[in-house]
Amino acid sequence: SAVISQKPSRDICQRGTSLTIQCQVDSQVTMMFWYRQQPGQSLTLIATANQGSEATYESGFVIDKFPISRPNLTFSTLTVSNMSPEDSSIYLCSVSGTGELFFGEGSRLTVL
Amino acid sequence: GQSLEQPSEVTAVEGAIVQINCTYQTSGFYGLSWYQQHDGGAPTFLSYNALDGLEETGRFSSFLSRSDSYGYLLLQELQMKDSASYFCAVRDGNFNKFYFGSGTKLNVKP
Repeated sequence: SAVISQKPSRDICQRGTSLTIQCQVDSQVTMMFWYRQQPGQSLTLIATANQGSEATYESGFVIDKFPISRPNLTFSTLTVSNMSPEDSSIYLCSVSGTGELFFGEGSRLTVL
Repeated sequence: GQSLEQPSEVTAVEGAIVQINCTYQTSGFYGLSWYQQHDGGAPTFLSYNALDGLEETGRFSSFLSRSDSYGYLLLQELQMKDSASYFCAVRDGNFNKFYFGSGTKLNVKP
């Protein structure tokens, strides 16, 4: 298993601003995943963050909007840029085990 | 791409058995996992099937048929605390990524 810490746990942001979410894992992992969960919806994969290389984005997500950093094997950040109310969601960091995903507690963003 | 289908909502009574189905379409299928999410909480892992058959973990069991692209989660001896959303997720073996179904809201009634 893995223990994942995310910061902030929640925030209220103004339209047009950017916010960076931090994710810290208690062990070294090759891949880290960022998901978005809009209110009442399922989890949608935003991107995969590999240490030492650029993040791989899923269809519908672009680096300019969701830049990701992965400076080492235990840490990653996701920035939500130029936010609009449609970005109000829970953002979840996760890592994989043998066949399962472990999640942080999530960062609940509300954009006004 | 990936496509997973689950029932949107299921209601059952305490002590009963409920089955939540998941059908999927994906390339490079490697396994199917299940997650529970209570309101306001993060998803937590329940079960994983890479091979056909039944996996049992306490009151929860999960089944996979790769030939049918189908799996289910079986919850026995339902308790009120089992009221939550349940998600199936496929593991894409090509890239070791996980894609989630739309989720099933389980309501357990007394």
